[in-house]
Amino acid sequence: GESVGLHLPTLSVQEGDNSIINCAYSNSASDYFIWYKQESGKGPQFIIDIRSNMDKRQGQRVTVLLNKTVKHLSLQIAATQPGDSAVYFCAEKAMSNYQLIWGAGTKLIIKP
Amino acid sequence: KAGVTQTPRYLIKTRGQQVTLSCSPISGHRSVSWYQQTPGQGLQFLFEYFSETQRNKGNFPGRFSGRQFSNSRSEMNVSTLELGDSALYLCASSLNRASGKLFFGSGTQLSVL
Repeated sequence: GESVGLHLPTLSVQEGDNSIINCAYSNSASDYFIWYKQESGKGPQFIIDIRSNMDKRQGQRVTVLLNKTVKHLSLQIAATQPGDSAVYFCAEKAMSNYQLIWGAGTKLIIKP
Repeated sequence: KAGVTQTPRYLIKTRGQQVTLSCSPISGHRSVSWYQQTPGQGLQFLFEYFSETQRNKGNFPGRFSGRQFSNSRSEMNVSTLELGDSALYLCASSLNRASGKLFFGSGTQLSVL
């Protein structure tokens, strides 16, 4: 299940199940959204992005969904593997000023 | 193509000292951003540089400063170090300001004693 810890929300998922990580964005002017994955001891790594003129985009085992009406973004990971264990960050960008705003992050834990 | 290189990887300083961290972006990338990250915390934006000019700045005190050189390499400086400055400092580069695809270095782990 999903819980909020002292610092980072945590999501525990059984290996092989699908994971859904959610993100509420703040700026109505944001028109570009990105997901990053940060493994322990490394810098964040780009996963997938989506423009505001789309509501869904698929990559390899990942899908990003965008709901502009409620300012909500989600990252779906299919058939979660141990290597998916990481902290996932969403980020929003308004192309008017290029400012990138980062979400708080969600820690994904894979249960064997 | 080499990734983003940050030096040094680890640094130990004492309160009151100053420190300079270095970042070499991916070749051809002109935008460099700096972030501070503490354990279990998210990414706190410090500043963004493009064409040797600071374009955006986060909510950090003036003790934190940076610069970018003509070859896009960047440095950040923290003066009068405080214990709370202990953190992982991450540098990221991108082709330009419009790109949301940032490439991060492995960071500099700063410990202030």
